[in-house]
Amino acid sequence: DIQMTQSPSSLSASVGDRVTLTCRASQTISTYLNWYQQKPGKAPRLLIYATSSLQSGVPSRFSGGGSGTDFTLTISSLQPEDFATYYCQQSYSIPVYTFGQGTKLEIK
Amino acid sequence: QVQLQESGPRLVKPSQTLSLTCTVSGGSISSDDYFWSWIRQPPGKGLEWIASIYYTGTTYNNPSLKSRITISVDTSKNHFSLTVGSVTAADTAVYYCARVSGSGTRRFDPWGQGTLVTVSS
Repeated sequence: DIQMTQSPSSLSASVGDRVTLTCRASQTISTYLNWYQQKPGKAPRLLIYATSSLQSGVPSRFSGGGSGTDFTLTISSLQPEDFATYYCQQSYSIPVYTFGQGTKLEIK
Repeated sequence: QVQLQESGPRLVKPSQTLSLTCTVSGGSISSDDYFWSWIRQPPGKGLEWIASIYYTGTTYNNPSLKSRITISVDTSKNHFSLTVGSVTAADTAVYYCARVSGSGTRRFDPWGQGTLVTVSS
């Protein structure tokens, strides 16, 4: 199975900061990587698919990059509504999908 | 736009079977372009993919859950279902249903709101 490891597990930041979250795959997954945002008590929301494609309706301050085993999600200028937990998910080894353990982004 | 809604019992006794249904509205479950999936999240923990199904009935299960899982589809009712057999407290989770794009980088979108299922006597 492909394991997905996110770092850090939690991160404190301030409104206006630029933050980068990292996701590492246990083997190459090309660019078959998606990112989701989850707020407490809510379902996850797709932010970015295929490593760097922005889902419709997602603000342009979100961007994704990487390939192979190492991927990033960057928020260029944190807004109050961005404080949430973020998950990466690989779809290389379909039909088996795996998620990272999440990064909780908290207000400093 | 397409919306998904989970339904089913919120409390299940240990060793019994958990059954959930996901009703799809605003679109047909019989689309060639999508799969349909179940994902769960134990309280305070991360996301685990459970199973996926195509409208033709082709299924894919998470190997870690082995043979306890059954996913099925009813195209006439535009819904799909999940059963988990021989449940234990470890099966307590919020269960989500989601649509999966059938081509390119497959991704889960949209999701249902989720339903918390508790396994307890």
